[in-house]
Amino acid sequence: DAGVIQSPRHEVTEMGQEVTLRCKPISGHNSLFWYRQTMMRGLELLIYFNNNVPIDDSGMPEDRFSAKMPNASFSTLKIQPSEPRDSAVYFCASSLGRVTNEKLFFGSGTQLSVL
Amino acid sequence: DQQVKQNSPSLSVQEGRISILNCDYTNSMFDYFLWYKKYPAEGPTFLISISSIKDKNEDGRFTVFLNKSAKHLSLHIVPSQPGDSAVYFCAARTGNQFYFGTGTSLTVIP
Repeated sequence: DAGVIQSPRHEVTEMGQEVTLRCKPISGHNSLFWYRQTMMRGLELLIYFNNNVPIDDSGMPEDRFSAKMPNASFSTLKIQPSEPRDSAVYFCASSLGRVTNEKLFFGSGTQLSVL
Repeated sequence: DQQVKQNSPSLSVQEGRISILNCDYTNSMFDYFLWYKKYPAEGPTFLISISSIKDKNEDGRFTVFLNKSAKHLSLHIVPSQPGDSAVYFCAARTGNQFYFGTGTSLTVIP
């Protein structure tokens, strides 16, 4: 298996522009997570899906952020409009969704720079 | 509010010596704890885990200790190797949610 695949690896955009980050989870995994890495907060959970349904989006910082999972093999995280403080590394992770001895598998991340 | 805390942003250790990375948590509902390792420009990768019903789990050079009464977790690496230089994240799970700390950057000096 190729693991969790994220695109793009790097995104540079100007303030006010729309940004869309993409994720393909590991086949057969039922849970998908979006994290943001910053120096101050480490890996911060933004939202997670179980069986394509958003379960908890309390970590989404503002209404400018939205996430979708139209099917089991694809998810997007959208920022509209983007701001310089959104600059960070965004990780997608997936898991089987079972409770016992579970672990997350991460993608390589998207480095977002908003100028 | 940070439920998982790693208070040491960085740690330097001589090759061959022991590395001890610490983690504290506040939520008594956490039932499973994990350590992840992250190299630059890569995603975090799973290293070792421990269930809340245990106090120690060992895997080769890596041992995780759990002190539930103190809500404290530690990762021991013995002996440390230059290839262990990375950022280490502590994580804790409740239900199907995973909470991570801010990470500790470990440098192993040859």
